[in-house]
Amino acid sequence: QSALTQPASVSGSPGQSITISCTGTSSDVGSYNLVSWYQQHPGKAPKLMIYEVSKRPSGVSNRFSGSKSGNTASLTISGLQAEDEADYYCCSYAGSSLWVFGGGTKLTVL
Amino acid sequence: QITLKESGPTLVKPTQTLTLTCTFSGFSLSTSGVGVGWIRQPPGKALEWLALIYWDDDKRYSPSLKSRLTITKDTSKNQVVLTMTNMDPVDTATYYCAHFNWEYNWFDPWGQGTLVTVSS
Repeated sequence: QSALTQPASVSGSPGQSITISCTGTSSDVGSYNLVSWYQQHPGKAPKLMIYEVSKRPSGVSNRFSGSKSGNTASLTISGLQAEDEADYYCCSYAGSSLWVFGGGTKLTVL
Repeated sequence: QITLKESGPTLVKPTQTLTLTCTFSGFSLSTSGVGVGWIRQPPGKALEWLALIYWDDDKRYSPSLKSRLTITKDTSKNQVVLTMTNMDPVDTATYYCAHFNWEYNWFDPWGQGTLVTVSS
């Protein structure tokens, strides 16, 4: 059970769209539609943004969307805003009631 | 409204056992489909899933830390306790507990976290 692979950093200008990838294996991301995404601002606890690959919890902006293809899940943020600058983590079910997080991606809004 | 809060020592010595308590409100761990998980985050590093206890007392542990972890629940007190043995400086991290929902397969919400430093 290894951590999922995310790019260390991504950046974009206000109004633009960015995509963060999350690559796992056929034992986790590839086998289950149980990928979630969390946003973490400095010094704060993570906040759920996407669950079950592409579903948004109540209260989360529709600028956030998720998808999956094969062993890679993706988080897309459209219409970037300054407040979106944060760290983002993916999380996947890995079978046998086990879970694994990604290495995290730092989003910078230029 | 669901809330969780972690408590425990802020400093432990190497080889000691860490005991952390997650006290929650707004849900019951006797309700089907509910769980509480523990996740940690070393300073400046990524989140790492540690353990999860379900409403039916099923317990799951990170394979890499399984030999050192124990998770238990006290439904009457609305608490979940995580113990980690043989602490090492590399275990220095902020430890979070989070509500788990079996229906939606999410960890939400999270507690504020508690920073544990391992040092002699």
